[in-house]
Amino acid sequence: ETGVTQTPRHLVMGMTNKKSLKCEQHLGHNAMYWYKQSAKKPLELMFVYNFKEQTENNSVPSRFSPECPNSSHLFLHLHTLQPEDSALYLCASSQGGGQGEKLFFGSGTQLSVL
Amino acid sequence: QQQVKQSPQSLIVQKGGISIINCAYENTAFDYFPWYQQFPGKGPALLIAIRPDVSEKKEGRFTISFNKSAKQFSLHIMDSQPGDSATYFCAARNAGNMLTFGGGTRLMVKP
Repeated sequence: ETGVTQTPRHLVMGMTNKKSLKCEQHLGHNAMYWYKQSAKKPLELMFVYNFKEQTENNSVPSRFSPECPNSSHLFLHLHTLQPEDSALYLCASSQGGGQGEKLFFGSGTQLSVL
Repeated sequence: QQQVKQSPQSLIVQKGGISIINCAYENTAFDYFPWYQQFPGKGPALLIAIRPDVSEKKEGRFTISFNKSAKQFSLHIMDSQPGDSATYFCAARNAGNMLTFGGGTRLMVKP
């Protein structure tokens, strides 16, 4: 158990649906991240939150909307996605305010967009 | 200049053999080089890491070799075991404390 829990593990959604991915870390870390993992780009950073403030948005389309209500929880709200958005979405956390010394990853949400 | 190039994309090794994965970078400002290991159905986990002031770091069967002048580093897995079958990612940290990951290597160790 890495201390980072993601739900759901699998998600199938249509292009007109709205869904949310949830991430919770039990490690007392200050920074949280969303990554997209696909065959084309194996580990692609999407968003970074440091002490609940978004510090990085890696040119992600607006159909992905992150939310960080506190330093333990991170959400990724999805709407009007495209089939090419199908991927494994990984949440991670770290002690420091950057990817720094060590990232702790969750097991991911496997997303399929039909 | 932020790229980290990793090779090979996939690797098959017999049990007991040595697995070698290579990474190359351009940015001389990178100051920390971790390797992450990812098993199917799991997220990546830090395996071993090295700083550029040393040429080698060993932890059990896993060794990182670092060549600063060539801007290359590699992961060696000695006595490879079927349980080592996973995807391995090298990475490099920049001055902004952000990581750039390589493209990953899928390792299969045959019994």
